[in-house]
Amino acid sequence: NAGVTQTPKFQVLKTGQSMTLQCAQDMNHEYMSWYRQDPGMGLRLIHYSVGAGITDQGEVPNGYNVSRSTTEDFPLRLLSAAPSQTSVYFCASSYGTAKETQYFGPGTRLLVL
Amino acid sequence: KQEVTQIPAALSVPEGENLVLNCSFTDSAIYNLQWFRQDPGKGLTSLLLIQSSQREQTSGRLNASLDKSSGRSTLYIAASQPGDSATYLCAVIRHNAGNMLTFGGGTRLMVKP
Repeated sequence: NAGVTQTPKFQVLKTGQSMTLQCAQDMNHEYMSWYRQDPGMGLRLIHYSVGAGITDQGEVPNGYNVSRSTTEDFPLRLLSAAPSQTSVYFCASSYGTAKETQYFGPGTRLLVL
Repeated sequence: KQEVTQIPAALSVPEGENLVLNCSFTDSAIYNLQWFRQDPGKGLTSLLLIQSSQREQTSGRLNASLDKSSGRSTLYIAASQPGDSATYLCAVIRHNAGNMLTFGGGTRLMVKP
């Protein structure tokens, strides 16, 4: 199993540009989520999905969109990038219940100029 | 609101020492607590998961304990090695929060040869 994979590893954007961060898992996990990690703020939940076709907001959803058309993929979209979205983004997945181990991808470093 | 605190923020020890990392949380209504390791510029690797009904979990030189009533967990690392140098994060999933992990700020560990 490849586990949780993320692309790209690093991206530079200009303010106002859009982009999609890709996340995929091959463990047949129902639950997938996106976190951002910022110095002094720790990791915070952006959006999550409990299964294909179902998504919901986390703690810091503003400026981000998600969709879940398949079990394997959970892309995160920035419609109009802002410097405040400069961060490291992690995708995570687990089996359906809250009692299961969550597995994280290697992260995407995003710099918005 | 759940708050998770890790003390100390940084720790430097000589190789071979046994050490304890601390994690505290304010809301004892949790499903589980998970310890992660993060190497610089990398993703999170799950080390141990303790369910709320458990008192401890062990994996190799690692032992994690949980005292839910007092809102505390410890990660014990035996016979530390330079390869243990990393940031260690604890995270909890509380009731009525889906699968959302609430993270502590982490302890940055350096083990000197």
